[in-house]
Amino acid sequence: NAGVTQTPKFQVLKTGQSMTLQCAQDMNHNSMYWYRQDPGMGLRLIYYSASEGTTDKGEVPNGYNVSRLNKREFSLRLESAAPSQTSVYFCASVRTGTGPYEQYFGPGTRLTVT
Amino acid sequence: ILNVEQSPQSLHVQEGDSTNFTCSFPSSNFYALHWYRWETAKSPEALFVMTLNGDEKKKGRISATLNTKEGYSYLYIKGSQPEDSATYLCAFNYGQNFVFGPGTRLSVLP
Repeated sequence: NAGVTQTPKFQVLKTGQSMTLQCAQDMNHNSMYWYRQDPGMGLRLIYYSASEGTTDKGEVPNGYNVSRLNKREFSLRLESAAPSQTSVYFCASVRTGTGPYEQYFGPGTRLTVT
Repeated sequence: ILNVEQSPQSLHVQEGDSTNFTCSFPSSNFYALHWYRWETAKSPEALFVMTLNGDEKKKGRISATLNTKEGYSYLYIKGSQPEDSATYLCAFNYGQNFVFGPGTRLSVLP
């Protein structure tokens, strides 16, 4: 099992450009999450998806959109990137069933917006 | 917005010292409290998932306790080793949602 994978690992964008961060998991997990990590602030939830076909906003959703394409994949889109979106983005998933269960994290995407 | 706090923010100890950190979280709507270990340039990895008031979990030299009534959890490391150097995150789990604390960065000096 590859676990949780993310692409790309690194990306540099100019202000106003758009891009999609991809996340996939091969563990048959129902719930998937997108976080951003900024110095001194820990992990902040952007969006999550409790199951295929559903998405919900987290703490910092402004400027982002998500798509739960299928059970495996959960993508995060920046429509018009801003320097404030420079961050490290982590995707995570949680297994199905009577929990609670720990989150499994991807390797992260380091995004710089100039 | 739910607030999860961790203290201290950072900690430097000598190899062999024992140490502990604190996580404070809301005492209402509690489902679980998670501890993660996060090494530099890697992804967070789960240490413990705790649900019951008074619960104590142990993994090797690392242990954690939970008080859901007053909203805190302690993480203990006995006989710290350089490989314990990492950021330790706690996360308050309510329903499907997680709120992370800012972490405690531990440096263990040989």
